[in-house]
Amino acid sequence: KAGVTQTPRYLIKTRGQQVTLSCSPISGHRSVSWYQQTPGQGLQFLFEYFSETQRNKGNFPGRFSGRQFSNSRSEMNVSTLELGDSALYLCASRLDYNEQFFGPGTRLTVL
Amino acid sequence: GENVEQHPSTLSVQEGDSAVIKCTYSDSASNYFPWYKQELGKRPQLIIDIRSNVGEKKDQRIAVTLNKTAKHFSLHITETQPEDSAVYFCAVPRGWGGADGLTFGKGTHLIIQP
Repeated sequence: KAGVTQTPRYLIKTRGQQVTLSCSPISGHRSVSWYQQTPGQGLQFLFEYFSETQRNKGNFPGRFSGRQFSNSRSEMNVSTLELGDSALYLCASRLDYNEQFFGPGTRLTVL
Repeated sequence: GENVEQHPSTLSVQEGDSAVIKCTYSDSASNYFPWYKQELGKRPQLIIDIRSNVGEKKDQRIAVTLNKTAKHFSLHITETQPEDSAVYFCAVPRGWGGADGLTFGKGTHLIIQP
């Protein structure tokens, strides 16, 4: 079974731009979570989607948004990029409660 | 929200020795406690987890212990090997059963000295 995939793997943007990241979960998994990973703050929860509904959101500004499609694929969007948004963005999918399988991440650099 | 404290931030041990990493949490309703390993440049991967109805779980050289009264759980790695070098993260669920994602500790950089 294919693992979680994320596209693109690397992205360079400038301040003020917006970006969309994509995540394809493991086949059959309906839950997708997004995390931001930085050296200073570690792994921080962004949001979780289940059956196209956002169930929870972490402590991030409204510039961070997401959605999930009927095939469980998910996208996250960051508008008006800031230098501090440079990070590794990880998505994870799960079949039922608990174990989350991570994708390889998208490395976003904001210049 | 849930708070997770992880210690130490860096741990250096001689190859063959044991390593112990500890996490404390604040929400007494937490019922699932995973540990993830992240090698340099790679994704986090689950290495072991424990549920609140047991106090210890082992998988070869890796074990996790849980003390619900004190609200802490620990990762134990015995007979450490070079391939154990990585960053280890503990986590607790944000909602019942992890339905709302995970809150992670800040991570422990484990260094295995030859």
